[in-house]
Amino acid sequence: GEDVEQSLFLSVREGDSSVINCTYTDSSSTYLYWYKQEPGAGLQLLTYIFSNMDMKQDQRLTVLLNKKDKHLSLRIADTQTGDSAIYFCAESPSGGYNKLIFGAGTRLAVHP
Amino acid sequence: GAVVSQHPSWVICKSGTSVKIECRSLDFQATTMFWYRQFPKQSLMLMATSNEGSKATYEQGVEKDKFLINHASLTLSTLTVTSAHPEDSSFYICSARAHIPARPTGELFFGEGSRLTVL
Repeated sequence: GEDVEQSLFLSVREGDSSVINCTYTDSSSTYLYWYKQEPGAGLQLLTYIFSNMDMKQDQRLTVLLNKKDKHLSLRIADTQTGDSAIYFCAESPSGGYNKLIFGAGTRLAVHP
Repeated sequence: GAVVSQHPSWVICKSGTSVKIECRSLDFQATTMFWYRQFPKQSLMLMATSNEGSKATYEQGVEKDKFLINHASLTLSTLTVTSAHPEDSSFYICSARAHIPARPTGELFFGEGSRLTVL
């Protein structure tokens, strides 16, 4: 079946790194995504990783993919208060390029 | 980047009435749009896939007669919640896939969401 799991809450101090973890079940997912949702808003694509990659870095964001364990992580370096939001991990199941399965979201709280 | 806009952003209605939510792709054409529903502090649940010029494909457990979807043009899909009840109160989000070079085929652009409150 298709299932994506995330921890629900993470609190970090401003300036520290944040690491948000995610596990997924469909080993044939071609792409894995991280989306950010600010209060009352839609989702914004942060970054994505192709399934044949282990790591992708994009400015302050680093995505690590362990395909064997079906584990995905998002690291935000130098976390700022503006990073406070809900972060969703999503997979695109095999053959379903149109369909994304989302995790429950991790609420990131950044405090001084 | 590609822009998807929803309207209205929030709506309050009485129980038993119908509510229409619009989803527009502003700067690209979308043959396929998606409707999600999000409950407080929960993830997005895919309700249906809206296909331009044909019937929508509903996910298991979603009542097609309750949630009417129309995708009459390449830039507009509408979701109508018929005979709304308080349990239909939720945040409805649409998304559309834009073909952008060097971007994965599965990338979706999301609308701002529409918050429905049924009294």
